Amino acid sequence: GAGVSQTPSNKVTEKGKYVELRCDPISGHTALYWYRQSLGQGPEFLIYFQGTGAADDSGLPNDRFFAVRPEGSVSTLKIQRTERGDSAVYLCASSSTENTEAFFGQGTRLTVV
Amino acid sequence: GESVGLHLPTLSVQEGDNSIINCAYSNSASDYFIWYKQESGKGPQFIIDIRSNMDKRQGQRVTVLLNKTVKHLSLQIAATQPGDSAVYFCAEGGWNTDKLIFGTGTRLQVFP
Repeated sequence: GAGVSQTPSNKVTEKGKYVELRCDPISGHTALYWYRQSLGQGPEFLIYFQGTGAADDSGLPNDRFFAVRPEGSVSTLKIQRTERGDSAVYLCASSSTENTEAFFGQGTRLTVV
Repeated sequence: GESVGLHLPTLSVQEGDNSIINCAYSNSASDYFIWYKQESGKGPQFIIDIRSNMDKRQGQRVTVLLNKTVKHLSLQIAATQPGDSAVYFCAEGGWNTDKLIFGTGTRLQVFP
């Protein structure tokens, strides 16, 4: 079956613009995670969904970042008024339940110019 | 594509040798640990996991060792191959948290 799919794979946007990043988890996985990875760093937690609800959004850096998962499957990470410091690879992962093996997508590389 | 881990600690091994990658984790309450492999331009790929009620777990060519006393985790790769070249991350989680916390990573380079 298909793994975690993220689109687009690359996104270049101008400072101040709004972007949406999409994640299609593995079918049937109730847990979905967003991470951000800067060059030379390990992934940093942003937000965790259990079903449709954001169970933990403590990793979102500020209120410009928001994520939704309205039907408990696909999730969208939304970034308003992008800044150059937002440039990173945004990774999505899903697992059947929390604290079990999480499968990652290939990531979306966001570049803010 | 983007290179992962340009400034990470690097372990260089000869093809066929065994590799040992170490990780110090931060939270003594963590009870679930995973090793991930990440190749350039790709997302992390699960290698092996271990729960805190174990101190050793073996997979195919890989072994994870857990020392809870000193909060240390290691990944051993037997007969290292060129395809093992990547950045390796340990991650910790636990019953009291819903997220995995990743370490800084180690770059493994395998030369012939």
